[in-house]
Amino acid sequence: DQQVKQNSPSLSVQEGRISILNCDYTNSMFDYFLWYKKYPAEGPTFLISISSIKDKNEDGRFTVFLNKSAKHLSLHIVPSQPGDSAVYFCAASGPRGSTLGRLYFGRGTQLTVWP
Amino acid sequence: DTGVSQDPRHKITKRGQNVTFRCDPISEHNRLYWYRQTLGQGPEFLTYFQNEAQLEKSRLLSDRFSAERPKGSFSTLEIQRTEQGDSAMYLCASSPRLAEEETQYFGPGTRLLVL
Repeated sequence: DQQVKQNSPSLSVQEGRISILNCDYTNSMFDYFLWYKKYPAEGPTFLISISSIKDKNEDGRFTVFLNKSAKHLSLHIVPSQPGDSAVYFCAASGPRGSTLGRLYFGRGTQLTVWP
Repeated sequence: DTGVSQDPRHKITKRGQNVTFRCDPISEHNRLYWYRQTLGQGPEFLTYFQNEAQLEKSRLLSDRFSAERPKGSFSTLEIQRTEQGDSAMYLCASSPRLAEEETQYFGPGTRLLVL
């Protein structure tokens, strides 16, 4: 049962343009969302997160938007750089304060940024 | 802060053999998680420790899998009588016990190949 879905397996963007990666979730109990970046043969690297009490969080070139009513979040990367080429995973957890700390991951989107 | 470390990084074994992986979390992180990732999938939760207590186990964790965190610091994951289906990347993550931050930080992973 895939509770976090990334429906685009790949995305190709020109350097300098905006990359928009999308993620949908089905469990309304999720209240914390994260994006990770992963290079081959390495573990996921944390990028940015957002709590369900917010609808936007920004960190440098990375912005995450959360639409709770649509159960949808997106990651915007502006401007995109060739070094951003990697697999991006969306993850969710919740409810806050529970002892259940697991993250639920999507299947990932391969981002390719070309010069 | 040296990050999460895992050992070994790669392991090749024959079907039926036992293997053990080690994870050293970020110091003072009291939560530790194990995940498994197969090709084309996101990481899937296996088990979770808070200090030395194992608080949650996924149904993916069959009887052949056992995890320990004896002193609340490093953790080991053992797979007995390995099967070819156990071939995957095994990821360890840790997080601090802070209500405001539930971000999990991942290690580089141990890639297991069962022949």
